[in-house]
Amino acid sequence: EVQLLESGGGLVQPGGSLRLSCEASGLIFSNYDMIWVRQAPGKGLEWVSRIDTVFNTHYGDSVRGRFTISRDNSKNTLYLQMNSLGVEDTATYYCAKVNSATRGFDQWGQGTLVTVSS
Amino acid sequence: DIQMTQSPSTLSASIGDRITITCRASQRISDWLAWYQQKPGKAPKLLIYKTFNLQGGVPSRFSGSGSGTEFTLTISSLQPDDFVTYYCQQYHDFPLTFGGGTKVEIK
Repeated sequence: EVQLLESGGGLVQPGGSLRLSCEASGLIFSNYDMIWVRQAPGKGLEWVSRIDTVFNTHYGDSVRGRFTISRDNSKNTLYLQMNSLGVEDTATYYCAKVNSATRGFDQWGQGTLVTVSS
Repeated sequence: DIQMTQSPSTLSASIGDRITITCRASQRISDWLAWYQQKPGKAPKLLIYKTFNLQGGVPSRFSGSGSGTEFTLTISSLQPDDFVTYYCQQYHDFPLTFGGGTKVEIK
């Protein structure tokens, strides 16, 4: 059974940094593109970033230049380094696996909450 | 960036009703369109990929159609578990984008 477990969320002051992790199990992690999606409280889904199997990366407009996605295949772990955080980054952050054939996001973690507040 | 516009934002319906949710893309996305269901406090769940393909385990009352810029999600007979929120998402081009969501409420 595929499991994705996010961690690293919490309270951070505006301008601060945080690194999220997403540990994967039950799959050959290196074989899959991975993504981060976030959801502000009471709001819709926002795609944040994607990293493919050869480490190419893409970012949403609102985070480009501040967030960095990475992966460590030896640890089956996906990361999201978040810098220069603002209150608008307050959200639950989900990691998800991209299905290689369909390109849909077919497995999701439970999410980790990031709160940016002074 | 490709904008995805979902309508309606809220839909009131009864158990057994047939409903349709529409998603319009600001430019042609071929058939690179997925639908997700999200229950309160839970992660989204993939329902349909590439416009009309049902993800494994998804009931057949869900169906998708469309092409180009206009797409629909249809639920043929609403069940109690279906009164939640649905999102469309394009994966034709980066940045990937979601629609604003449709909340299906009990009438």
